[in-house]
Amino acid sequence: GAVVSQHPSWVICKSGTSVKIECRSLDFQATTMFWYRQFPKQSLMLMATSNEGSKATYEQGVEKDKFLINHASLTLSTLTVTSAHPEDSSFYICSALTGRVQPQHFGDGTRLSIL
Amino acid sequence: GDSVTQMEGPVTLSEEAFLTINCTYTATGYPSLFWYVQYPGEGLQLLLKATKADDKGSNKGFEATYRKETTSFHLEKGSVQVSDSAVYFCALSGIPNAGGTSYGKLTFGQGTILTVHP
Repeated sequence: GAVVSQHPSWVICKSGTSVKIECRSLDFQATTMFWYRQFPKQSLMLMATSNEGSKATYEQGVEKDKFLINHASLTLSTLTVTSAHPEDSSFYICSALTGRVQPQHFGDGTRLSIL
Repeated sequence: GDSVTQMEGPVTLSEEAFLTINCTYTATGYPSLFWYVQYPGEGLQLLLKATKADDKGSNKGFEATYRKETTSFHLEKGSVQVSDSAVYFCALSGIPNAGGTSYGKLTFGQGTILTVHP
């Protein structure tokens, strides 16, 4: 149980395009989802926290207009990287939490490469 | 604020060796503590957890004990295998702030790369 599916697993696109990454909880309702960014050989950096039906809470230094997060249902959150540039290339990971009970369950990540 | 410090890696061991990865934390109150493992190109998998002082989390031969007095949660395994090669992250889930916006947030250590040779 507690499976989180992230799609796509790998995407390559041209600079200036927008890319959408989906995060789905397959067998539970995710009241809260988290989006992380991970650079090579580094730890996870929390970008934002999203609660179903409300606006995401972004961490300090994360551009809200660059990284659009939508949590429209209890099983789906999306991260859209708008007008992506090479410096946005990274590994993006989502996680989901049901209610107030830890632990978080993580997706397998999306490797984004901007040319 | 909350913070987690892990021993620096990488750690290289021979198969069947004993493993210890140190983890210490700073947090208010009584956080929950976790060890996550990340295999190459994948997301994180929960390895074990402990929610109160003196709890011992265990899974797949790995163990860690929540030590409040030393604010530590060291990961141990008596005999490692090649398949244990991965990155290990210590993390804590702290007390939410008054506004409730930090609830559920995990604070991660920097990660420790483990390589086990046959």
